[in-house]
Amino acid sequence: AQSVSQHNHHVILSEAASLELGCNYSYGGTVNLFWYVQYPGQHLQLLLKYFSGDPLVKGIKGFEAEFIKSKFSFNLRKPSVQWSYTAEYFCAVNDRSNTGKLIFGQGTTLQVKP
Amino acid sequence: DTGVSQNPRHKITKRGQNVTFRCDPISEHNRLYWYRQTLGQGPEFLTYFQNEAQLEKSRLLSDRFSAERPKGSFSTLEIQRTEQGDSAMYLCASSLTTQGPYEQYFGPGTRLTVT
Repeated sequence: AQSVSQHNHHVILSEAASLELGCNYSYGGTVNLFWYVQYPGQHLQLLLKYFSGDPLVKGIKGFEAEFIKSKFSFNLRKPSVQWSYTAEYFCAVNDRSNTGKLIFGQGTTLQVKP
Repeated sequence: DTGVSQNPRHKITKRGQNVTFRCDPISEHNRLYWYRQTLGQGPEFLTYFQNEAQLEKSRLLSDRFSAERPKGSFSTLEIQRTEQGDSAMYLCASSLTTQGPYEQYFGPGTRLTVT
């Protein structure tokens, strides 16, 4: 069965620090990969996605992620964070089966101190 | 607002009662998904519809759970004889298969508390 691991459960950074959140998945076939963000009191929003092509994908607000197939990883990066980025970040994968259902990691809570 | 909407946003019920939640997807989205999220965990897939057909159900969806999407638009999720373990956030998402079937848009969720 597919699974997604987010090793950093709680990350605390100061403003302007760089961010990298880890995501590893277990699935031997072709996958689509996603990062979602959930700001306090708001619904899940798509940050970025990888379907095919360039393994370095860029999303909203300057976030980017790199798909490394050999490592089954899809880490999220941001060169400089702001206080407003305090949120919960979820990595998700689907297996390109016709269902489209998403398998989520357990999430990483990011706290940015002003 | 043209996003996914869910009602109610919060529901408190006593153990043993039945509850029903509603999800209105983005207009013309043909796929609708239900997920459940407990504290400290990511969302877990429950079931999905393509138009009015329910095509897959997770083993998480016990016999007490039923979902419908009668006209291929809104969907309802009913839980019968609620248990304390059903307390969670129930999320709905929709997608349009002609625009990449894998990008899902989420609603705000219904938070269920079973006392």
